[in-house]
Amino acid sequence: EVQLVESGGDLVQPGGSLRLSCAVSGFTFSSYNMNWVRQAPGKGLEWVSFINTGGDFIRYADSVKGRFTISRDNAKDSLYLQMNSLSDEDTAVYYCARDLTTVTRAYDYWGQGTLVTVSS
Amino acid sequence: EIVLTQSPGTLSLSPGERATLSCRASQSVSSYLTWYQQKPGQAPRLLIYDASNRVTGIPARFGGSGSGTDFTLTISSLEPEDFAVYYCQQRSDWPLTFGGGTKVEIK
Repeated sequence: EVQLVESGGDLVQPGGSLRLSCAVSGFTFSSYNMNWVRQAPGKGLEWVSFINTGGDFIRYADSVKGRFTISRDNAKDSLYLQMNSLSDEDTAVYYCARDLTTVTRAYDYWGQGTLVTVSS
Repeated sequence: EIVLTQSPGTLSLSPGERATLSCRASQSVSSYLTWYQQKPGQAPRLLIYDASNRVTGIPARFGGSGSGTDFTLTISSLEPEDFAVYYCQQRSDWPLTFGGGTKVEIK
């Protein structure tokens, strides 16, 4: 059974940092591109970042570029999102999501999400 | 950035009725358009990719069509479990973008 489990969400002050993790199981992690997608409370979905299988092709949404860093450890079947210089606009549930195929950027499996709250 | 505009914002229908949801792109995305369903408190669920390809396990009442800038998700006959929010997403260009969503509610 494919599973994606996010962790690391917390209450953090503006300007602070947080590192999210996504532990996967049930599939060969190293063969799949991965993403972070977020959803602010009561709002729609926002794509945040993409990383390819080898970790050498990465993209970010403009809203997080220069502040967030996506990475992966294929040996540990884990995806990460380092978030720095957080603002209240980053408050959201953060989901990790798997690409359907290496050429189809549609997300067939999602985690349950982890809540990041930025507030003083 | 490619902007996706979904309409209507809310669709009020009864079970058994046909639902037609629209997603319009600010520039051509070819057929690289995806549809998701999201219920309260749950992660989104992939329904349709590349405009018209239904994912394994998705009921045949869900259908996608369109290309270029205009896309449609059709639910031929609404079941009680279909009342949810639906999002489109384009994968034609970076940054990947989602539409604002259409809520299908029970009339």
